[in-house]
Amino acid sequence: EDQVTQSPEALRLQEGESSSLNCSYTVSGLRGLFWYRQDPGKGPEFLFTLYSAGEEKEKERLKATLTKKESFLHITAPKPEDSATYLCAVISGTYKYIFGTGTRLKVLA
Amino acid sequence: SAVISQKPSRDICQRGTSLTIQCQVDSQVTMMFWYRQQPGQSLTLIATANQGSEATYESGFVIDKFPISRPNLTFSTLTVSNMSPEDSSIYLCSVGQGLSGANVLTFGAGSRLTVL
Repeated sequence: EDQVTQSPEALRLQEGESSSLNCSYTVSGLRGLFWYRQDPGKGPEFLFTLYSAGEEKEKERLKATLTKKESFLHITAPKPEDSATYLCAVISGTYKYIFGTGTRLKVLA
Repeated sequence: SAVISQKPSRDICQRGTSLTIQCQVDSQVTMMFWYRQQPGQSLTLIATANQGSEATYESGFVIDKFPISRPNLTFSTLTVSNMSPEDSSIYLCSVGQGLSGANVLTFGAGSRLTVL
C-alpha cells in the first residue's frame, strides 16, 4: 500500500538551530515528491518538487533532498517566521497524490 | 500560479444541516480537487470535479453526502450534507498546475467547519 510517513510530528527549535524533517515513503512508481508549507488558517503552499534519487532543491534556508526511500527537508539557521506545518506528498505511478500528516515546526526567538 | 478564493472561511453548523462551500479560481482549469483535512490526519482527497461531467469520488466518499457542482471552468461548490460532529474539519479546494501528471497543487485558504 502506498504510504507517506513524516517525522517528527512536532519540532521546537531555537532560532539559528539547524535541523531536518523526514519524509519516508512507500509508493509504486514514484512520479514526484513534493514539500508544502502550511500556515495556520491557510492552505498548503508549494515549496519543492523532487523527481529522482539524488536530486536536491534549495530555497533560502530550506534544502530538500531525495533518496529512493525518503526525503529530508533541511532547515539551516531557522528564524521564527519559518514556524509552520511542513507537509510531504508523493504522486504514485497511478497519479494519485498521497500526503503525510505533516511536521509542526516552532522556531523560538 | 492560480489564485483560489474559498468561502466561507469558517462556520459553525448544527447537526443535521447542510452547508455549501464555494471555490472560485482566477483562471480556467480543467480539474478542481476537494480535500478534507482533519486534525492530526493527512490531507484526504474527497473528489475531483470536472466541468461538464459528474465528479469522481474517492473511496469512502459518496455523492449523497458530498454533492459537488462544477458549472464552469472557474467555479465549483462542495456541499456537506446532513452534517454530524464527525464532519468537523477543514475543507480545501485545489487546482493542479503544469502539463505533466505530476502537478503542483495550489490550494485555497480552506473552510473550517465545526458541527455541534
